[in-house]
Amino acid sequence: GENVEQHPSTLSVQEGDSAVIKCTYSDSASNYFPWYKQELGKGPQLIIDIRSNVGEKKDQRIAVTLNKTAKHFSLHITETQPEDSAVYFCAAIKAAGNKLTFGGGTRVLVKP
Amino acid sequence: SAVISQKPSRDICQRGTSLTIQCQVDSQVTMMFWYRQQPGQSLTLIATANQGSEATYESGFVIDKFPISRPNLTFSTLTVSNMSPEDSSIYLCSGATGANTEAFFGQGTRLTVV
Repeated sequence: GENVEQHPSTLSVQEGDSAVIKCTYSDSASNYFPWYKQELGKGPQLIIDIRSNVGEKKDQRIAVTLNKTAKHFSLHITETQPEDSAVYFCAAIKAAGNKLTFGGGTRVLVKP
Repeated sequence: SAVISQKPSRDICQRGTSLTIQCQVDSQVTMMFWYRQQPGQSLTLIATANQGSEATYESGFVIDKFPISRPNLTFSTLTVSNMSPEDSSIYLCSGATGANTEAFFGQGTRLTVV
């Protein structure tokens, strides 16, 4: 089955700096890669996603890149703000599949 | 995206008892899933809730322990049976309108078994 690894497990950045989280996946058949943000006491919320036919996608301060050959994808948050502090999860789904495999999560702390 | 409501949001239960968690979606979804998230950990899929038929369980999860119902396209329940302290966790309901589409989550049910 699919295996998704995520690094780092914790990330502390100064407000205004950038944060980068990296994930690798094992199954080359995976073709949909969402990123979720989970705040304390809440369920995960989708913040951005990318499909395997796209190399990069941006939404304001958030961007995701995908390297299919290397089977890794990354989340980039620019100009971080204290409200970006949360746990972030990457995930992968196989083509025509419906089951998300999650990475281990990254706890991001943005220091004011 | 749709909004998922879970009830209860939290509960403290005695070992040996059972708890049923309800999941209500404000619009019809093709797929519904149940996840477990142990404290400080990632999400693990328990099962896919199938409308009108038995749920599809992932390795390590069985129907006798986690019976699931899904009577229609907007509602599902997960029961945690014969609970032990090891079942203390957050249980999350998720829905999606199709394969390879956005999956959205409820706020979770925080279960503590004493």
